[in-house]
Amino acid sequence: DAKTTQPTSMDCAEGRAANLPCNHSTISGNEYVYWYRQIHSQGPQYIIHGLKNNETNEMASLIITEDRKSSTLILPHATLRDTAVYYCIVRVANSGNTPLVFGKGTRLSVIA
Amino acid sequence: DTGVSQDPRHKITKRGQNVTFRCDPISEHNRLYWYRQTLGQGPEFLTYFQNEAQLEKSRLLSDRFSAERPKGSFSTLEIQRTEQGDSAMYLCASSFLGNLDEQFFGPGTRLTVL
Repeated sequence: DAKTTQPTSMDCAEGRAANLPCNHSTISGNEYVYWYRQIHSQGPQYIIHGLKNNETNEMASLIITEDRKSSTLILPHATLRDTAVYYCIVRVANSGNTPLVFGKGTRLSVIA
Repeated sequence: DTGVSQDPRHKITKRGQNVTFRCDPISEHNRLYWYRQTLGQGPEFLTYFQNEAQLEKSRLLSDRFSAERPKGSFSTLEIQRTEQGDSAMYLCASSFLGNLDEQFFGPGTRLTVL
């Protein structure tokens, strides 16, 4: 079972920041937080991951609380192409025998 | 295109037939994963390979499911005696050991069993 809890759906106005929350209260010390997204009819796409420090890349920012029990993925300027299902996953890094365990994710709709 | 490719993209078959799907990972990736995704659900892990070795297969849904990666490059997933409940999207992903295992997914094969 997924170790994360996410809202089922969210809307965001185009051009505004999309903030997607995730709860992972049972996260272990060696588990990372990964975010993937899946655009309709495509395979999931890696976005970002982090352990305890905030992370930023060209796609998004990841804010992890100090106790690591929750995190927020931020898309700073959402576009229509960001409409997708976003999955938050906790997992030990670099351990292939611990697969990605996907929940149902958050369906983000970016509205013009 | 140097991403993960899957073939076919769509497969329609009759109940009881065998089907085989192919996945070509990113060339330098030594790990390869298979997932299944049903409507409205997130992908569900099935099995994975490191090079040609299948290191985890307990999650395969039944003994009708099998996977191979004979030379450590492409992989095949076979479903024997298909059932209507096998209808789903079958996703392949690959990753490189030592890169925090960021997985790159293919576009998937959508199976419909009539």
